Amino acid sequence: DAKTTQPNSMESNEEEPVHLPCNHSTISGTDYIHWYRQLPSQGPEYVIHGLTSNVNNRMASLAIAEDRKSSTLILHRATLRDAAVYYCILAYTGTASKLTFGTGTRLQVTL
Amino acid sequence: GAVVSQHPSRVICKSGTSVKIECRSLDFQATTMFWYRQFPKQSLMLMATSNEGSKATYEQGVEKDKFLINHASLTLSTLTVTSAHPEDSSFYICSARLTSGGRGEQFFGPGTRLTVL
Repeated sequence: DAKTTQPNSMESNEEEPVHLPCNHSTISGTDYIHWYRQLPSQGPEYVIHGLTSNVNNRMASLAIAEDRKSSTLILHRATLRDAAVYYCILAYTGTASKLTFGTGTRLQVTL
Repeated sequence: GAVVSQHPSRVICKSGTSVKIECRSLDFQATTMFWYRQFPKQSLMLMATSNEGSKATYEQGVEKDKFLINHASLTLSTLTVTSAHPEDSSFYICSARLTSGGRGEQFFGPGTRLTVL
């Protein structure tokens, strides 16, 4: 499985935008870039995913580099409820596709 | 979004007993469900892939005779931890994918915290 590299932790002020980076230099052509987040003592939650083009949804935006070797999850206005561990995962989107979780980035949001 | 539930949310048991954890997809059908384990301050580790009507596929290093998985219907998968020991204490999380449609994402349950005394 292609691996991803994320910073261990990041801090942000509330109401500010947050850019969470992810490096995946060994990504294959069929790998989608998925982002999930896990709040304390809860199961992970889907955030967004994409293949080549940038993606937007109500939760976040995903900016994918042209060579696909890196991507950035963008939270436009961080709130205290966005404090979580964010995981960047490469996987195809088939029904039986497995997700391999790395260590993720722990995002702290302060007032 | 689709909802996945787990029962119980937490369980405390004595060493040597067996514990069953249920994972249900409440408003969708799931041919495939996944079971993860998460130790404190660590990431999720995939234990097995549960397939409706067939045997589960276990990840390397996971004992299939200790962690019994049954996926008898399109909305229910169960994980039984047999002869549990303190080292099995962990946060167990299941997930499911839509059988058809959707965006390919996995929907996760809230987790079950197992404590073996």
